[in-house]
Amino acid sequence: QKEVEQDPGPLSVPEGAIVSLNCTYSNSAFQYFMWYRQYSRKGPELLMYTYSSGNKEDGRFTAQVDKSSKYISLFIRDSQPSDSATYLCAMSLYNFNKFYFGSGTKLNVKP
Amino acid sequence: NAGVTQTPKFQVLKTGQSMTLQCAQDMNHNSMYWYRQDPGMGLRLIYYSASEGTTDKGEVPNGYNVSRLNKREFSLRLESAAPSQTSVYFCASLRDRVPEAFFGQGTRLTVV
Repeated sequence: QKEVEQDPGPLSVPEGAIVSLNCTYSNSAFQYFMWYRQYSRKGPELLMYTYSSGNKEDGRFTAQVDKSSKYISLFIRDSQPSDSATYLCAMSLYNFNKFYFGSGTKLNVKP
Repeated sequence: NAGVTQTPKFQVLKTGQSMTLQCAQDMNHNSMYWYRQDPGMGLRLIYYSASEGTTDKGEVPNGYNVSRLNKREFSLRLESAAPSQTSVYFCASLRDRVPEAFFGQGTRLTVV
C-alpha cells in the first residue's frame, strides 16, 4: 500500500465551480500536509501547507486536514481556467526533511 | 533570483551510456533533492542531501549516484542508463524551517 493515495482524475469542471481534491494517507505520524500545483511541463510549486489538523484559507483556496480519518482536502472556490493544472498532495513528518507525494490529480477548468 | 536551475532540459541516451544531471540553487538552502516523475506514479524520491557533505537514499535509488559538490550544487549520475530510467527528473531545494520545496524546471530523459 502506498503511503499517500490520490485520485489521478482527470477532473473537468466549468468555470466558477467549486472543486474538491482529496488525498488519504496511512502514516499517522505525518505532521505537515502540503498542496503543490504543477502546470504542464513545469516543476511543482507550493500552494499552501498546514501543520497538524485544521483548516487553512488563502484567497480562493482552502486546505482541510482530518487526522482522525487520515484524509486531507483542497477546495478551490470560483475556479478559473488558470487553475487548470495537476495538484499534488504531499506529507511529511515533524522534521519535514522528506516529502511523500500523492500521484497528482489533473484538473481542467473549462471557460 | 534564478531559484533552482537544472541542466540539461532534454536528453536522449542510448542504453548503457552514462550522464550527469546538474542542479544548482541560489537560495542558500541546506537540503536538496532529486525526484523522478512518471505518469501515474507521482514524484518519487531518488536521493536527498540534508546538508553539504551528506547524502541519503530515497525510495528509488538503484541505478543512480549523487554528489553534493557544495552547498549550491547537487548532481545526479546515471552510470549505465536503462530504458526504465526514462522519466522526468526534478531537482528541488527545501526552505529552512518551512516545508516549502522549490523545484527546477525538470530534465526530460529518454533512454532508447
